[in-house]
Amino acid sequence: DQQVKQNSPSLSVQEGRISILNCDYTNSMFDYFLWYKKYPAEGPTFLISISSIKDKNEDGRFTVFLNKSAKHLSLHIVPSQPGDSAVYFCAASASGGSNYKLTFGKGTLLTVNP
Amino acid sequence: DGGITQSPKYLFRKEGQNVTLSCEQNLNHDAMYWYRQDPGQGLRLIYYSQIVNDFQKGDIAEGYSVSREKKESFPLTVTSAQKNPTAFYLCASSIYSDYGYTFGSGTRLTVV
Repeated sequence: DQQVKQNSPSLSVQEGRISILNCDYTNSMFDYFLWYKKYPAEGPTFLISISSIKDKNEDGRFTVFLNKSAKHLSLHIVPSQPGDSAVYFCAASASGGSNYKLTFGKGTLLTVNP
Repeated sequence: DGGITQSPKYLFRKEGQNVTLSCEQNLNHDAMYWYRQDPGQGLRLIYYSQIVNDFQKGDIAEGYSVSREKKESFPLTVTSAQKNPTAFYLCASSIYSDYGYTFGSGTRLTVV
């Protein structure tokens, strides 16, 4: 039972255009969401996060949008750069207790073409 | 520089052998985690520990064991009971009340 779903295994965009990566979740207890970026043979690095009390969070070229009613979030990268080419993981957590473990999606491989 | 170190980077194991993957952090983080990455499977949680001398099973703990004798260290043992151990293993740490995981660079385990 996959609680965090990234239905697009890959995405290809041109440099300078917008990249939109999507993520859906099924667990209504999730209240905190994160995006991680991963290069091959390296550990993921934190990119941006959003709490369920917000519907948007922006950090430079990266914006995450959260639609709680649809249980959907998306990561927008504008403008896309070749260095953004990596696997992007969506992650979620239910912080109801002291448990801060994250549930990850399967990832989306973003390729930004020069 | 503070960080999280996994060793070795590559590890080969014969069938039937136990192997231990090292994970050390000097970030003074309370919580530590072990994830496994398989192609097309994303990251799946094996074990996690929020304080010393305590740890919890994740989603795929069968065939694995851990210990947390020191705050800085969270070694993972892949036992012979693990049916399909070939994978990329990632260790992470975080402050107790924070979601901002710091990941190590991973260990690729191959069974030969």
